[in-house]
Amino acid sequence: GEDVEQSLFLSVREGDSSVINCTYTDSSSTYLYWYKQEPGAGLQLLTYIFSNMDMKQDQRLTVLLNKKDKHLSLRIADTQTGDSAIYFCAEAPDTVNYGGSQGNLIFGKGTKLSVKP
Amino acid sequence: DTGVSQNPRHKITKRGQNVTFRCDPISEHNRLYWYRQTLGQGPEFLTYFQNEAQLEKSRLLSDRFSAERPKGSFSTLEIQRTEQGDSAMYLCASSLSSSGSTDTQYFGPGTRLTVL
Repeated sequence: GEDVEQSLFLSVREGDSSVINCTYTDSSSTYLYWYKQEPGAGLQLLTYIFSNMDMKQDQRLTVLLNKKDKHLSLRIADTQTGDSAIYFCAEAPDTVNYGGSQGNLIFGKGTKLSVKP
Repeated sequence: DTGVSQNPRHKITKRGQNVTFRCDPISEHNRLYWYRQTLGQGPEFLTYFQNEAQLEKSRLLSDRFSAERPKGSFSTLEIQRTEQGDSAMYLCASSLSSSGSTDTQYFGPGTRLTVL
């Protein structure tokens, strides 16, 4: 089966940039997602990128995709204490049975981001 | 649009009991997904529906688990004869699927199950 790999922990100081890395394995994945999870809560969609793009920027968030290396990163500029959470990378393998759109998402184990004041 | 809702938010039960969880998706969404998340792990896919049809089931979904979406709106996930290993957060997500679009999944707050 496919495995999505992420480092488990990242600690940064408030105001610095955070970079969370992810490696996925299924080259057929057409979309890749970043979700945020705060303690005891569900997952909040942050952003996603289509596989034919190499970069997407959305306010403080920048997603970089290296499809050749199957490497995805999420950069958070000017990190705030409210950004402290677990960040999950997820891939959506293309499933032709579903008319070209995706079925289930495959998640990494998550990166716990701690922001120190 | 009130988002995806799940009930109950917490459930404590004794081993061997049956439990049922409910998920109400975003109203116009035709796809509904169930995931399970254990401590320190990412969500793992269990099953999903397109309208009322259950299209895919994971091998994680043992025969003690059953899911329904009878009218293509809300869904229920039932676990029979619960085991301690069933203790987890059960997450529901929904999406609006159309050919060539992103099919982005939006998650509910989850139901945390504790089996004693």
